[in-house]
Amino acid sequence: SQTIHQWPATLVQPVGSPLSLECTVEGTSNPNLYWYRQAAGRGLQLLFYSVGIGQISSEVPQNLSASRPQDRQFILSSKKLLLSDSGFYLCAWSHRGAQYFGPGTRLLVL
Amino acid sequence: AQSVTQLDSHVSVSEGTPVLLRCNYSSSYSPSLFWYVQHPNKGLQLLLKYTSAATLVKGINGFEAEFKKSETSFHLTKPSAHMSDAAEYFCVVSDPAGGTSYGKLTFGQGTILTVHP
Repeated sequence: SQTIHQWPATLVQPVGSPLSLECTVEGTSNPNLYWYRQAAGRGLQLLFYSVGIGQISSEVPQNLSASRPQDRQFILSSKKLLLSDSGFYLCAWSHRGAQYFGPGTRLLVL
Repeated sequence: AQSVTQLDSHVSVSEGTPVLLRCNYSSSYSPSLFWYVQHPNKGLQLLLKYTSAATLVKGINGFEAEFKKSETSFHLTKPSAHMSDAAEYFCVVSDPAGGTSYGKLTFGQGTILTVHP
């Protein structure tokens, strides 16, 4: 069966510090992968998606970037965090039209 | 373009009573529709999906939803609420696979379900 992992589970970072969130998928090959952000009291916003290694599409201009160095690894990064980057970050993979989500990373930027 | 409207931001029911969470959508294509549930500080879990087969879709935990094209609705129901159903629910519409958006999902704003003992 397929599983999706995210780490860390929670993170507290100062403004201006770098960020690296990791997502890995097991039990499938060549998945489409997605990064979402969920701000408090709001729905999910798609940040990036990837259909293969090295292929990244950005949905909204922002302070973040994404990379896919391996087939089942998806990384969300920032060089300098902003207060507005706080939120709940979710990674997902897709299969037959549905997306399956990881447990999420809670990021607090102070 | 596609969009989703969840008609209620909050729904409150008593344990053992029926649940109805309302969702309307718009889509230029034949849509795929989903309901997800999110418990506090957790990821989203897929409850059920509609992908142009049977219009009445049964999901996990006793939930079901009916696709009504004439009403552009996909309401989520459960005959009898349980305390563990308290969570936030998202109605979602998807672009068709193979389109330029690679299965992009559009989420509703969510409905928070409260279940009273």
